[in-house]
Amino acid sequence: AQSVTQLDSQVPVFEEAPVELRCNYSSSVSVYLFWYVQYPNQGLQLLLKYLSGSTLVESINGFEAEFNKSQTSFHLRKPSVHISDTAEYFCAVSEISGGYQKVTFGIGTKLQVIP
Amino acid sequence: KAGVTQTPRYLIKTRGQQVTLSCSPISGHRSVSWYQQTPGQGLQFLFEYFSETQRNKGNFPGRFSGRQFSNSRSEMNVSTLELGDSALYLCASSGGTGYNEQFFGPGTRLTVL
Repeated sequence: AQSVTQLDSQVPVFEEAPVELRCNYSSSVSVYLFWYVQYPNQGLQLLLKYLSGSTLVESINGFEAEFNKSQTSFHLRKPSVHISDTAEYFCAVSEISGGYQKVTFGIGTKLQVIP
Repeated sequence: KAGVTQTPRYLIKTRGQQVTLSCSPISGHRSVSWYQQTPGQGLQFLFEYFSETQRNKGNFPGRFSGRQFSNSRSEMNVSTLELGDSALYLCASSGGTGYNEQFFGPGTRLTVL
């Protein structure tokens, strides 16, 4: 069975500082990996995804994540955070089984950007 | 295209009651998944419906049930509500076969008193 571990439940960081949100997964088959962001009182929005190809994937707002198969990790990074990045971030893994996907989410990491 | 819509957005019920939540997927999407989100537990998968059939189910008691209509709209029902059922219930729609990006609705915040 697949699982996702987000090691930090909360990460406080000063504005314009770099940040890394950690995510490790376990799965017995090939997987797809995702980061979702949830702003207060909203649903989840896809931030970025790894399906295949380059192990480094980027979002339009400056986040990036690198798929590391040997370490089974998919950490999310941003070199300089902004106040507007304050949100909860969820790592997710998807397996394709029987022709359809099964998605498992981590418990989430709350990023608090301090002015 | 309109996004995923969920109704109602907020709901307050008392223990023992039952509740029905509704989700309208993006037009053309045939898969609807339901998740329960609580602090410290993240998103817990409830079930997925595809073309009116439940094809995947999480580890929730039988009090949690769902269905999908021919227009892909889905409902989930929780009977005999317990305090621990208080949560944000999210639905997500996707195309349905192979890898498909999930699009989430804003959720229904259920409070059980």
